[in-house]
Amino acid sequence: KAGVTQTPRYLIKTRGQQVTLSCSPISGHRSVSWYQQTPGQGLQFLFEYFSETQRNKGNFPGRFSGRQFSNSRSEMNVSTLELGDSALYLCASSLAGDEKLFFGSGTQLSVL
Amino acid sequence: GEDVEQSLFLSVREGDSSVINCTYTDSSSTYLYWYKQEPGAGLQLLTYIFSNMDMKQDQRLTVLLNKKDKHLSLRIADTQTGDSAIYFCAADWGGYNKLIFGAGTRLAVHP
Repeated sequence: KAGVTQTPRYLIKTRGQQVTLSCSPISGHRSVSWYQQTPGQGLQFLFEYFSETQRNKGNFPGRFSGRQFSNSRSEMNVSTLELGDSALYLCASSLAGDEKLFFGSGTQLSVL
Repeated sequence: GEDVEQSLFLSVREGDSSVINCTYTDSSSTYLYWYKQEPGAGLQLLTYIFSNMDMKQDQRLTVLLNKKDKHLSLRIADTQTGDSAIYFCAADWGGYNKLIFGAGTRLAVHP
């Protein structure tokens, strides 16, 4: 069974640009969550989607947004990139927001 | 709000047991987790424990939960060099896969 797939693996952007990251959950999983990992702040929850609806969100500015499609695939978008947005963005999936949360390998975003 | 704390570094000899400790603040957390992260990789779910349990064993891994003290530990028996990684403790908070993570414990295994 394939794991959580995130694309692209690496991204380099400049300040002010926007970026879209993609996540394909494990087959059959309907809940997708996004996390940001930085050396300074550690792992922080961004938001969670289930059946195309955002059910929970963390404490991030409105520049961070996401969506989920009918096939459970998810994208997150960051607009007007800032240097501080440089991070590893991790996507995770679970059956329905239950106790087993499985993570992908992440997208490493560098903002120059 | 919820906070999860763990020591930052642990060094053990190959073949010894490793014990990684974690404390959390929110007693309403339903599940507590241990994840492993190797360099350049995502997070691997090692094990989790339901808050009404006090122990869970899974092969070389033993999780102990002291709910009164809000203390969680992960014991790795017969630690191998392949166990070298960063280990994260996490607690669910607010539902819907919102986890609060500790800063991670870097485990170094030496011969």
